[in-house]
Amino acid sequence: QVQLVQSGGGVVQPGGSLRLSCTASGFNFSNYGMHWLRQSPGKGLEWVTFIRDDGGSKYYSDSVKGRFTISRDNSKNSMYVQMTNLRTEDTAVYYCAKDLGGYYRYFDHWGQGTLVIVS
Amino acid sequence: DIQLTQSPSTLSASVRDRVTITCRASQNVSPWLAWYQQKPGQAPKLLIYQASTLESGVPSRFSGSGSGTDFTLTIASLQPDDFATYYCQQFHTYPWTFGQGTNVEIK
Repeated sequence: QVQLVQSGGGVVQPGGSLRLSCTASGFNFSNYGMHWLRQSPGKGLEWVTFIRDDGGSKYYSDSVKGRFTISRDNSKNSMYVQMTNLRTEDTAVYYCAKDLGGYYRYFDHWGQGTLVIVS
Repeated sequence: DIQLTQSPSTLSASVRDRVTITCRASQNVSPWLAWYQQKPGQAPKLLIYQASTLESGVPSRFSGSGSGTDFTLTIASLQPDDFATYYCQQFHTYPWTFGQGTNVEIK
């Protein structure tokens, strides 16, 4: 079955950096786009960034553009997000999610979530 | 950005009730709309996509309908496992956005 296992996260000071990882199993990782999303009490669910299956195209929300960088290593079935210049408003539970596939940008499987606290 | 407004924000219902949640978009998003269910401490779960297509493994008591700017999630007969928060999401226009959520609680 599809599994997405996240690692990373924790407490960081404003202006600091953090890297989150997401390791996939149970599907052909190199055939699917992948996303990072986040959820905070104040802002609800927010899509953050997306990377296509081959890593050739990347998309970011305005709130993280220029500060977050998404990447993937298909040989390791893994995806990453490097977060820099973190702000207090980046505090949230971060989820990786698998794209439904094809033309559809829906999130059909999610990781367990990892808490990032910027304080 | 496209705004999605869900109503109600909270819904109190009993087991076996028919429940309807509405999602209104600030512009046409048809048919690129999905519904998710989230329970406390868990990640969201995809229920319905393309407004009315049931995701594999999701019980048939869940259904979606709507077009244009107005969409509905219906639970035909509420079960104990269905008490949760529900979100709509659009991908008609980047950036992809979510509604604020509807909490279905026990009456």
